[in-house]
Amino acid sequence: GEDVEQSLFLSVREGDSSVINCTYTDSSSTYLYWYKQEPGAGLQLLTYIFSNMDMKQDQRLTVLLNKKDKHLSLRIADTQTGDSAIYFCAESMTAAGNKLTFGGGTRVLVKP
Amino acid sequence: DTAVSQTPKYLVTQMGNDKSIKCEQNLGHDTMYWYKQDSKKFLKIMFSYNNKELIINETVPNRFSPKSPDKAHLNLHINSLELGDSAVYFCASSQRSAGNTIYFGEGSWLTVV
Repeated sequence: GEDVEQSLFLSVREGDSSVINCTYTDSSSTYLYWYKQEPGAGLQLLTYIFSNMDMKQDQRLTVLLNKKDKHLSLRIADTQTGDSAIYFCAESMTAAGNKLTFGGGTRVLVKP
Repeated sequence: DTAVSQTPKYLVTQMGNDKSIKCEQNLGHDTMYWYKQDSKKFLKIMFSYNNKELIINETVPNRFSPKSPDKAHLNLHINSLELGDSAVYFCASSQRSAGNTIYFGEGSWLTVV
């Protein structure tokens, strides 16, 4: 079955790197995503990775995928106060109509 | 030039009422979705339409009825609203053949009193 798990909370100092972790159970995932949700706002697609890739870098964001362990991580370099938000990991499968299965979200608090 | 737009953004209504949330996308996508986010921030898919055809229908009460008049629109109608329907409803869209990047609207905050 589908299950996506994330830690609930992460506190980090401004300027440090943040690493948000996610595990998933369905090995037939096609794409894995990271979304950001600021308070009272919608879901912003940050980045995604295809399941045959190990790593993807996009400016301050680095996504690492370990398919063997079914582990996905998002590293944010030089974390800023504007990065404070809830970060959702999600998986999708083409065979399942491309529906996204989300983790519970990790609240990231960036302290000055 | 909003990509996925939903209306209304906020809706407060009484139990038993019928309400609709509208969604439009101008990305030329062929697939649209409705997701529900509960008070604990859990997000779960409700419905998905591809080229106006229903392709995903999760376990959702019959009181919820999606309608897709064309590829660019997917509306959500809710009958006999209950307190437990209070949530944030997100519309999303994607192009099935183009890497499956899924874009979300800003959400519609529904409060049933």
